[in-house]
Amino acid sequence: DTEVTQTPKHLVMGMTNKKSLKCEQHMGHRAMYWYKQKAKKPPELMFVYSYEKLSINESVPSRFSPECPNSSLLNLHLHALQPEDSALYLCASSHLAGGYNEQFFGPGTRLTVL
Amino acid sequence: QKEVEQNSGPLSVPEGAIASLNCTYSDRGSQSFFWYRQYSGKSPELIMFIYSNGDKEDGRFTAQLNKASQYVSLLIRDSQPSDSATYLCAVNLKREYGNKLVFGAGTILRVKS
Repeated sequence: DTEVTQTPKHLVMGMTNKKSLKCEQHMGHRAMYWYKQKAKKPPELMFVYSYEKLSINESVPSRFSPECPNSSLLNLHLHALQPEDSALYLCASSHLAGGYNEQFFGPGTRLTVL
Repeated sequence: QKEVEQNSGPLSVPEGAIASLNCTYSDRGSQSFFWYRQYSGKSPELIMFIYSNGDKEDGRFTAQLNKASQYVSLLIRDSQPSDSATYLCAVNLKREYGNKLVFGAGTILRVKS
């Protein structure tokens, strides 16, 4: 299995809602990532988990809360988001969190905040 | 200076031609380089990676790396309309807290039949 899966595909939420994005990989990868991609822009790194521990937080607002329950799963908990947080949220994984490690992306969750 | 720079395009080539996509990066210590293809509304798909100076070929794709010039390129031979997409160059940059993959803005490629 060489696939990263993400659910849901689409999510519409209000600014007072709490929701979660889910990501799963079964490639035995030990590094997992969350990226945010706005329209016509490249992906921007948000968080990196290495061996289920948070290793990089790119100064992301606390309304985004990542969680890595085990080596195959990655969640992103959302609370009190703003309309400008509407974007494509991408999960990726790689063998290790190092320079010589190719990252593979999931299909993404398209989030709309009303 | 941006960390990873690409010409945004669009780059238009006729079907069957060679498409040449270029990327420069600022961190001389970078050691790993990636090309992703992204179709409209889809997620990035890894198509090539290169770590050493020189050329690396995979089917119709050739990645070229010149670390002295801090330059990475992607050649697509026998371009097909299905190659029309945004091509993202990504460079693994060292930070004090770990490595970070930084993307260029992407080059839009249009292959005309």
